[in-house]
Amino acid sequence: AQRVTQPEKLLSVFKGAPVELKCNYSYSGSPELFWYVQYSRQRLQLLLRHISRESIKGFTADLNKGETSFHLKKPFAQEEDSAMYYCALTNYGNKLVFGAGTILRVKS
Amino acid sequence: GAGVSQSPSNKVTEKGKDVELRCDPISGHTALYWYRQSLGQGLEFLIYFQGNSAPDKSGLPSDRFSAERTGGSVSTLTIQRTQQEDSAVYLCASSLARTSGNTIYFGEGSWLTVV
Repeated sequence: AQRVTQPEKLLSVFKGAPVELKCNYSYSGSPELFWYVQYSRQRLQLLLRHISRESIKGFTADLNKGETSFHLKKPFAQEEDSAMYYCALTNYGNKLVFGAGTILRVKS
Repeated sequence: GAGVSQSPSNKVTEKGKDVELRCDPISGHTALYWYRQSLGQGLEFLIYFQGNSAPDKSGLPSDRFSAERTGGSVSTLTIQRTQQEDSAVYLCASSLARTSGNTIYFGEGSWLTVV
């Protein structure tokens, strides 16, 4: 069964500090991994996907198949990064399964 | 429309009543999803429609929950005999086809409160 684990419910950092939001998954095949973000009073939206290997808003995430992880990182947090972040997984054409989410709070 | 549209945006209902939540996906999107978002539970998958294929209902929590999608477009999520634990935000999303390679777009959600 597909499962996504985000161990931290809340991550609080100071502005300018590095950020790492953890995501681990379990799936027997080769999944596609995503990070979604929900800013205050906005819709849930895609932040990035592993196949694109892109950096969005300074965030990057590398798929580590050996550790079955897809941690989201940013070297210098900004206050506008404060939001709820969800890691998600799909097996190429099937449903998208989400983790429980991590609230990121960036303090000034 | 410009995006996924959901109605009602807010619904307060009495325990035991039935409710219907509507989702109007982005035109041309063949995949449609329902999720439930509640504090501490994250985003819980409910049901997934893909074109003319049989829907994946594996996430529906009980037989009080059902969903249909008429004409491959609008979808309705029905909750019968609502219970207080059904209180949550119900999110609908759609995508062009299969998830891979296609961005999923979410609606603003329907906030359900069962009193």
